[in-house]
Amino acid sequence: DAMVIQNPRYQVTQFGKPVTLSCSQTLNHNVMYWYQQKSSQAPKLLFHYYDKDFNNEADTPDNFQSRRPNTSFCFLDIRSPGLGDAAMYLCATSRGQTGTDTQYFGPGTRLTVL
Amino acid sequence: GDSVTQMEGPVTLSEEAFLTINCTYTATGYPSLFWYVQYPGEGLQLLLKATKADDKGSNKGFEATYRKETTSFHLEKGSVQVSDSAVYFCALISYSGTYKYIFGTGTRLKVLA
Repeated sequence: DAMVIQNPRYQVTQFGKPVTLSCSQTLNHNVMYWYQQKSSQAPKLLFHYYDKDFNNEADTPDNFQSRRPNTSFCFLDIRSPGLGDAAMYLCATSRGQTGTDTQYFGPGTRLTVL
Repeated sequence: GDSVTQMEGPVTLSEEAFLTINCTYTATGYPSLFWYVQYPGEGLQLLLKATKADDKGSNKGFEATYRKETTSFHLEKGSVQVSDSAVYFCALISYSGTYKYIFGTGTRLKVLA
């Protein structure tokens, strides 16, 4: 019954070594989001896709990229992880982007940078 | 801009106590409002929502009423359990060219047996 799936749940990488996090959804939602969350702070939106349209937040570092090859999958690429990128990364989806569309979150991937 | 303010935590309660977590918001118009719960090491789970004034969202014994007069959406539960220990986030949908969630800072709840 899992609706938003994230793999892996835990990822360890080395400083500067590229890493890719994966998200898939069975909801057939149009919008997919990536958030970064540190130490139970509020999630911080990095970017989102509405279908194939990519929307980057103004303060998202260039080190973070994303791909959405099809409706079901979305990837977060961190090109050169720094120690400050250690965090929980949350994927979310919504049917659309209106004033009432609910976002559904995956379980998250906890990234450790050594 | 739009914002959400939650009470500081942690909130520590004994099992079966009454819970209130305050949430107030500042927004243009009447945004949809949400409560999400995050258990340790997990993602956010939608707990309840309300999309218009005076709506009451409810789920798993939790309730919150959309009060436009006081711009509030306080979360309540009549009798908490140890399993309710988690971080609770209040959120609204904000519009500034596109619709986005604005989250509060979260309130950690600890329930003691």
